[in-house]
Amino acid sequence: AQKVTQAQTEISVVEKEDVTLDCVYETRDTTYYLFWYKQPPSGELVFLIRRNSFDEQNEISGRYSWNFQKSTSSFNFTITASQVVDSAVYFCALSDFTGGGNKLTFGTGTQLKVEL
Amino acid sequence: SQTIHQWPATLVQPVGSPLSLECTVEGTSNPNLYWYRQAAGRGLQLLFYSVGIGQISSEVPQNLSASRPQDRQFILSSKKLLLSDSGFYLCAWSREDYNEQFFGPGTRLTVL
Repeated sequence: AQKVTQAQTEISVVEKEDVTLDCVYETRDTTYYLFWYKQPPSGELVFLIRRNSFDEQNEISGRYSWNFQKSTSSFNFTITASQVVDSAVYFCALSDFTGGGNKLTFGTGTQLKVEL
Repeated sequence: SQTIHQWPATLVQPVGSPLSLECTVEGTSNPNLYWYRQAAGRGLQLLFYSVGIGQISSEVPQNLSASRPQDRQFILSSKKLLLSDSGFYLCAWSREDYNEQFFGPGTRLTVL
């Protein structure tokens, strides 16, 4: 069965620190997609990235970077030089064929608090 | 560009009353549509999804139902609300299977 684990319930950092949010997934499929979403206090989920299972290249977008490692079934998210505006709940999600390709399995989220 | 709307933004309803939440998508055709609920805490639970008009798949047996009367309209309903129906309801759309889902602003429902 598909499963996404975000073991870090809450992380607190001081502004400008780097922070890594962990995501571990389980799937029996060879073709799958991984996602990260941000949920700020307003509540709306904001799409950040999609990665397919055949592309293990790390991705960098500004202060955000993602490390996909199939060997450890992990898709970790790093924020460099964190800012107060990064405070939010971050969700990792998985979409695979067995789970129904049009459905996302979400982790329980990691609450990130960035303080001055 | 595509936009997704949900209304109302907040709703307070008594137990036993009916419910109708609406979601519409603009700027795309034949989207996949989804209803999620986020209860106190932060877990996201998929309630319903639809791949076309009149096609509804239910993920969790419950007090709710969904309908898709038009290509870009998705409605979440209940005949009689329960206290446990309180939560944050999110509608989402995607272009096709496996693609990223885009979420609406959500409806915060409180059942008293």
